[in-house]
Amino acid sequence: DTAVSQTPKYLVTQMGNDKSIKCEQNLGHDTMYWYKQDSKKFLKIMFSYNNKELIINETVPNRFSPKSPDKAHLNLHINSLELGDSAVYFCASAGLEINEQFFGPGTRLTVL
Amino acid sequence: SQQGEEDPQALSIQEGENATMNCSYKTSINNLQWYRQNSGRGLVHLILIRSNEREKHSGRLRVTLDTSKKSSSLLITASRAADTASYFCAQGTSGSRLTFGEGTQLTVNP
Repeated sequence: DTAVSQTPKYLVTQMGNDKSIKCEQNLGHDTMYWYKQDSKKFLKIMFSYNNKELIINETVPNRFSPKSPDKAHLNLHINSLELGDSAVYFCASAGLEINEQFFGPGTRLTVL
Repeated sequence: SQQGEEDPQALSIQEGENATMNCSYKTSINNLQWYRQNSGRGLVHLILIRSNEREKHSGRLRVTLDTSKKSSSLLITASRAADTASYFCAQGTSGSRLTFGEGTQLTVNP
């Protein structure tokens, strides 16, 4: 069984559209994250939720809005997509004891 | 910038050789972690070393940490073609935050 899953794996869309990426973890972790990895493989944290509460909110355009319906899910909604939003988005989760994070397979977003 | 820097950016070796990757960082840390990313995949945790540890081993992996120099190294011994991947260091700080380095692309030639 996949520990951290994301859907969709690929997302191709036009500029200006609104899209969502879903993430689910079955590890029983309290903390979940969204990262953006650019074309140079640089990985930057965007958001983190702990038990449905936002704890990290980096300097991200407010077109990006995370939503956590329960502690096993953290979805990412993006409004008015721009060319610069093209990247691979990774969801991750972590338990309380240590910082080891478990990553999902990624969602490759291409904005045309 | 709080991001770490990794050196080298790319490393190409022959199977059986050892691979050493270095990571420098700027802020105080609780721990330092190394992750591997195969092409088109998510990151996989390899090893964690706490700020009060100096060296840690896991299988063919050896990690060192020098907090006075704010640097860490990852050594992969007896490399295999399957070790080909990008390797990232990540600084663990308070509040379960991880700050990733820029990564080293390792290519192990058969």
